[in-house]
Amino acid sequence: ILNVEQSPQSLHVQEGDSTNFTCSFPSSNFYALHWYRWETAKSPEALFVMTLNGDEKKKGRISATLNTKEGYSYLYIKGSQPEDSATYLCAFNNAGNMLTFGGGTRLMVKP
Amino acid sequence: EPEVTQTPSHQVTQMGQEVILRCVPISNHLYFYWYRQILGQKVEFLVSFYNNEISEKSEIFDDQFSVERPDGSNFTLKIRSTKLEDSAMYFCASRQRTSALASNEQFFGPGTRLTVL
Repeated sequence: ILNVEQSPQSLHVQEGDSTNFTCSFPSSNFYALHWYRWETAKSPEALFVMTLNGDEKKKGRISATLNTKEGYSYLYIKGSQPEDSATYLCAFNNAGNMLTFGGGTRLMVKP
Repeated sequence: EPEVTQTPSHQVTQMGQEVILRCVPISNHLYFYWYRQILGQKVEFLVSFYNNEISEKSEIFDDQFSVERPDGSNFTLKIRSTKLEDSAMYFCASRQRTSALASNEQFFGPGTRLTVL
């Protein structure tokens, strides 16, 4: 059984704060690490697919890093806005078809 | 922008009844998936489907479950005799066939919330 863990489970920040969360995953048989943003009643939206150790990807105010040797990825949000409020999911892909998800980090940004 | 759609958004059924959850994947995608999330738990993989057959399935996907691609567009999940513990949000996903590592992205639908009474 693959173990993918995310921390913290939930996070409340003020508008303008920068924040980050962690995803840890098995360091063996690594293929890809996915980050999704999920708002209630909507489709989980793909943010990043990360494949190479040391990868850093950026989309607007959101960025992510990857360390496959130690088995972790960080997601950063710079200058959080209320519209960033969502659950952020990471998912580990070990060359099979399936994604193994973490429990998610629920972010709430107060105006 | 193309998207994965799912119907219905919410299905309520009695224990023991059969349900069919429907998905329309993105049109040029060739790999199809079902996942589910029981309230308060992690999203779990159920099954993947490629070239008209199951390519991988989890322990959850027992004989009560089946998948089908009845035509060129729909992808369905059938639960033959629902149990209380089948209550969950069921997500469909699809992806292209590509050798590029960075394009391994799975695109998700908005989910069907199944409530078994």
